[in-house]
Amino acid sequence: AQSVAQPEDQVNVAEGNPLTVKCTYSVSGNPYLFWYVQYPNRGLQFLLKYITGDNLVKGSYGFEAEFNKSQTSFHLKKPSALVSDSALYFCAVREGYSSASKIIFGSGTRLSIRP
Amino acid sequence: DGGITQSPKYLFRKEGQNVTLSCEQNLNHDAMYWYRQDPGQGLRLIYYSQIVNDFQKGDIAEGYSVSREKKESFPLTVTSAQKNPTAFYLCASSPSGSGNTIYFGEGSWLTVV
Repeated sequence: AQSVAQPEDQVNVAEGNPLTVKCTYSVSGNPYLFWYVQYPNRGLQFLLKYITGDNLVKGSYGFEAEFNKSQTSFHLKKPSALVSDSALYFCAVREGYSSASKIIFGSGTRLSIRP
Repeated sequence: DGGITQSPKYLFRKEGQNVTLSCEQNLNHDAMYWYRQDPGQGLRLIYYSQIVNDFQKGDIAEGYSVSREKKESFPLTVTSAQKNPTAFYLCASSPSGSGNTIYFGEGSWLTVV
């Protein structure tokens, strides 16, 4: 069965510093991996995804993520954090071989950027 | 504007009442989903539909019902059988195909009073 884990409930970073939000996954086939951001009382916004190809994926708002097959990880990164990046971040995984496979979301990581 | 519209944003339900949350999309997506999010929690799948007139139960379908009579619409009914319905409900849609991105509406808050 597929699963995704976000080991940190909260990440605190000073503005201007690099940030990393961790995600690990487990699937039986090739993974399709996604990152979303959620602001208070809003829906989830798509940031980026990995399907195939280059292991470093660039997305919205200066975020990027690195797919690491050997470590089964897909960590979200940004070189310089902004206060406006403070939000709830979700990693998600889907098995790539079947269009009937469900997308599974992690439990979320709250990112807090202090001025 | 293209997108996913959920209504109402806030809904209050009395004990024993059924309520229906609306979800409409004009993205021409085949698949639609309903998720439940409790405060500080992740997302749990309630129901999903990959084509019109077909839908499947997710992980927490008990106490909920859906219909998919039109491609654009996927309403969710929270029945009186759902014992703890207070939550944030998110509708989403995507093109068919597992590599395609799922897009979300802005959510609806349901509170039992």
